[in-house]
Amino acid sequence: EVQLVESGGGLVQPGGSLRLSCAASGFTVSSNYMSWVRQAPGRGLEWVSVLYSTGTTYYADSVKGRFVISRDNSKNILSLQMNILRAEDTAVYYCAGGIGTAGTSLHYWGQGTLVTVSS
Amino acid sequence: DIVMTQSPDSLAVSLGERATINCKSSQSVLYSSNNKNYLAWYQQKPGQPPKLLIYWASTRESGVPDRFSGSESGTDFTLTISSLQAEDVAVYYCQQYYSPPFTFGPGTKVDIK
Repeated sequence: EVQLVESGGGLVQPGGSLRLSCAASGFTVSSNYMSWVRQAPGRGLEWVSVLYSTGTTYYADSVKGRFVISRDNSKNILSLQMNILRAEDTAVYYCAGGIGTAGTSLHYWGQGTLVTVSS
Repeated sequence: DIVMTQSPDSLAVSLGERATINCKSSQSVLYSSNNKNYLAWYQQKPGQPPKLLIYWASTRESGVPDRFSGSESGTDFTLTISSLQAEDVAVYYCQQYYSPPFTFGPGTKVDIK
């Protein structure tokens, strides 16, 4: 059974940093397609970033230059380093995985971790 | 960027009746080399993460009831629930995974009439 478990969310001040992690079991992060998707309170889904098995990354314009997606192959963990956080980054952040190397739908989702950016 | 639009914003359908949700992409999401539309549908119930229902525009994910179906016509996509059940109350999102950023539609809320 595939499980994705996010951690690292919390309350942070504007301009601060936070690092989210997604621990995977039953699913190999390095061999598949991993994404972060967020959902602001009461809003729809917003795609944030993707990391292909090849190492290629892409970001939404809203986070480009501030967020970095990465993985630790030895620990089978996906991470999202979030810097220069803004109030509009407040959201539940979901880790999601797709089967294959690139360009797939998101078959597996974690339960999400809440990030609140506020002073 | 590819913009995804959905209609209606919400709909209420009687139990056992058909629910139809539309999604339109601002440009083609058809990859000519494999003739596949890079379009997925997700269901999100309150307090839960999204769940994949349909991928490649019309392929049902394993375990998804066959009352859910997807179809396409050019850049227009449709999710149909053939006979609405109480457990289908949710918000439904389409997403293109053809070209980053892999944008989602704004969602369609489905309720029981």
